[in-house]
Amino acid sequence: EAQVTQNPRYLITVTGKKLTVTCSQNMNHEYMSWYRQDPGLGLRQIYYSMNVEVTDKGDVPEGYKVSRKEKRNFPLILESPSPNQTSLYFCATGGGLLTYEQYFGPGTRLTVT
Amino acid sequence: QQPVQSPQAVILREGEDAVINCSSSKALYSVHWYRQKHGEAPVFLMILLKGGEQKGHEKISASFNEKKQQSSLYLTASQLSYSGTYFCGTEIGRNAGNMLTFGGGTRLMVKP
Repeated sequence: EAQVTQNPRYLITVTGKKLTVTCSQNMNHEYMSWYRQDPGLGLRQIYYSMNVEVTDKGDVPEGYKVSRKEKRNFPLILESPSPNQTSLYFCATGGGLLTYEQYFGPGTRLTVT
Repeated sequence: QQPVQSPQAVILREGEDAVINCSSSKALYSVHWYRQKHGEAPVFLMILLKGGEQKGHEKISASFNEKKQQSSLYLTASQLSYSGTYFCGTEIGRNAGNMLTFGGGTRLMVKP
């Protein structure tokens, strides 16, 4: 079954405590992306990756890091989370030059206190 | 800059039609439409490439006017299952590296 998985699904943390949200896909897609969703603002792209070791900034990259060491994984790292990073985060895959549809993971709800 | 969607919300009775608009200030290569049900991830509906094509997906279709940088999503004879939030995503060019910029969403509620 084609899947995009994210872990954890829910996380409550404190300001400044480093965290990583993992994203994994089994569809052999080259393209992966991270979005955050906030009420009234829709989905905003944080980072995306066209292939292994190739990453680029989206609209709102400040405060986030990513890495793409393997094709199937694209973790999102918050080295020093702040309350304004409280949001719903989605990982997506696909949407490359050969395929356009993006498949979204189930989402990770992050609260930073 | 995010594309602007209108209306922000719409309430329909089952069987009624609706149009959701998406407008950008930048020249667009493609427009993507997604639907998100409450508590779920967005799900792909369709993509329109520049050239003014129109696409359909069951009773949902869309158009793309590249001269006006606008796209419209048409929902005909709406069903209860159409309820959700609809997002348009815009891509300004293939060389932009597949970066999608989404609008703020249109919340659609279909009532019996």
